[in-house]
Amino acid sequence: DAMVIQNPRYQVTQFGKPVTLSCSQTLNHNVMYWYQQKSSQAPKLLFHYYDKDFNNEADTPDNFQSRRPNTSFCFLDIRSPGLGDAAMYLCATSSLGQRYTFGSGTRLTVV
Amino acid sequence: LAKTTQPISMDSYEGQEVNITCSHNNIATNDYITWYQQFPSQGPRFIIQGYKTKVTNEVASLFIPADRKSSTLSLPRVSLSDTAVYYCLVVGMDSSYKLIFGSGTRLLVRP
Repeated sequence: DAMVIQNPRYQVTQFGKPVTLSCSQTLNHNVMYWYQQKSSQAPKLLFHYYDKDFNNEADTPDNFQSRRPNTSFCFLDIRSPGLGDAAMYLCATSSLGQRYTFGSGTRLTVV
Repeated sequence: LAKTTQPISMDSYEGQEVNITCSHNNIATNDYITWYQQFPSQGPRFIIQGYKTKVTNEVASLFIPADRKSSTLSLPRVSLSDTAVYYCLVVGMDSSYKLIFGSGTRLLVRP
């Protein structure tokens, strides 16, 4: 039944070691979003894809990249994770202008 | 992008009606108001949205006065499982329909 699936639910990575988080959707939505949520804070939009068009938020660090190979999948790549990148990463989808559907998130720990 | 202001936290008891008010003084003509609920370690979940007057669904009501500078989310007869963070967001074409989260209201429902 899950419509936005994030894998893995928990990810531990080493300081500086590249890590990739994945998101898939069964809703056929044309927009996919990545948010970062640190403890006790609100989700912060990193970037989104409108179809194949990538849209970066102005304050998203270069360390964060994304790929969307097809409608169903979107990946978040963190090139050199630092301790400050430990957070919950949330993927969401929508048809433009419609309600968002969020995944359950991937909790990233950097050691 | 219209900034939203809502109480940081609220307490209630089971069975009571809870009203969370959000102010959005610089809402644009084409913007609409949407509310999301987030439980710990989960992604936000859509509750309700509206443009003006009153909207009701199976879980909540949303009241929007004529000037649209504020809105009130009403949760009837809350239960312990309604303990969560509630986010008020203003969304519109000018911001490409992006959800930009403010700090939210942390609702605690007590027995």
